[in-house]
Amino acid sequence: TQLLEQSPQFLSIQEGENLTVYCNSSSVFSSLQWYRQEPGEGPVLLVTVVTGGEVKKLKRLTFQFGDARKDSSLHITAAQPGDTGHYLCAGAWGTDKLIFGTGTRLQVFP
Amino acid sequence: DTEVTQTPKHLVMGMTNKKSLKCEQHMGHRAMYWYKQKAKKPPELMFVYSYEKLSINESVPSRFSPECPNSSLLNLHLHALQPEDSALYLCASSQDPRTVTATNEKLFFGSGTQLSVL
Repeated sequence: TQLLEQSPQFLSIQEGENLTVYCNSSSVFSSLQWYRQEPGEGPVLLVTVVTGGEVKKLKRLTFQFGDARKDSSLHITAAQPGDTGHYLCAGAWGTDKLIFGTGTRLQVFP
Repeated sequence: DTEVTQTPKHLVMGMTNKKSLKCEQHMGHRAMYWYKQKAKKPPELMFVYSYEKLSINESVPSRFSPECPNSSLLNLHLHALQPEDSALYLCASSQDPRTVTATNEKLFFGSGTQLSVL
């Protein structure tokens, strides 16, 4: 059974702080995606990383794929209240199976 | 049109009822998915349809019956559900089931159907 563990599960921080969310597995992914989900909505894709060691930036968000393609991180610089949400990593095994991580709920206070 | 539309948004049903959830996309996507999401948990894969054929069933109980009548539609038929089946049911689609893991491929999710089983 493929398992993707995210840490931390919950994070409450003040506006302006930096934070990092981790996504770990004992399995090697063919690729990894990060999604953000708002209450009552479906997840929305933020980024896909494919190559070991790959780093992608999306404004204040930096995504990194581990060299061995077993782990990933999401770093947010100077968090804003608008960053509040449920962040999910999702690992791909094979061609058509995407399994979600355990999730991280982020709350950014003004 | 880059939307995945799910109906109904909310559904309350008894354990003896039969109901169906519907999902529609007009993006020409050939892979469609059903996920189940319990409160404060990540989505769990239930079924994958690839070119209108069921390609993955994640050991889902037979009281959930998926159907893909054509490349734009995906249904989930519900019968004799249990209260523990109450959850948000999410439909998703992607362009090509063979490349869902590729760099530019992604899943487009609908807003889900919030199901309550009484």
